[in-house]
Amino acid sequence: DAKTTQPNSMESNEEEPVHLPCNHSTISGTDYIHWYRQLPSQGPEYVIHGLTSNVNNRMASLAIAEDRKSSTLILHRATLRDAAVYYCIRRPPSGTYKYIFGTGTRLKVLA
Amino acid sequence: EPEVTQTPSHQVTQMGQEVILRCVPISNHLYFYWYRQILGQKVEFLVSFYNNEISEKSEIFDDQFSVERPDGSNFTLKIRSTKLEDSAMYFCASSEGAGSGQPQHFGDGTRLSIL
Repeated sequence: DAKTTQPNSMESNEEEPVHLPCNHSTISGTDYIHWYRQLPSQGPEYVIHGLTSNVNNRMASLAIAEDRKSSTLILHRATLRDAAVYYCIRRPPSGTYKYIFGTGTRLKVLA
Repeated sequence: EPEVTQTPSHQVTQMGQEVILRCVPISNHLYFYWYRQILGQKVEFLVSFYNNEISEKSEIFDDQFSVERPDGSNFTLKIRSTKLEDSAMYFCASSEGAGSGQPQHFGDGTRLSIL
């Protein structure tokens, strides 16, 4: 049970920002949120992770709601290469090493 | 940027044969993992490995599976007697630490086809 909920699919126009939502309403105070993406015929690729504060890196930004029940992955300017399945994953602080992948959001980028 | 590499990219094997999938994790990483993805399905955790021991395994990882770190750089997954249902993409991953703030980095996988 991935314990996160994401839309099955989204579309975006090239060079526009994309906001990918994730609901994790049962999250505990110490669970990190990790985002991965999987391009066709490739392995999952780490995008970003965070606990409470918003996070930025060269790939994306992560906005975490104040109550931590949801988060949003932001791609600032979508390119055709960003077409992938995006996974939002909870990581508990201890007791398990594994990621539990859900079905993710399939992002289609339109030229 | 350092990356996890997996070989071969595609392995075709007869049912009942043994197969070994190979991975070279990122060099300073200490934790190693195998996942698999059956075509059209979710990515599933198989096993984690640290300090030459299995630290966690899923119910998929039965007696037919084993993992080994035979030297300082390779990490292998062996399937002793393959079944048709073992056909899948197998992904190796590694991480520097095991804390929940430590991301795992994945290779691009080995496609295993059982005939």
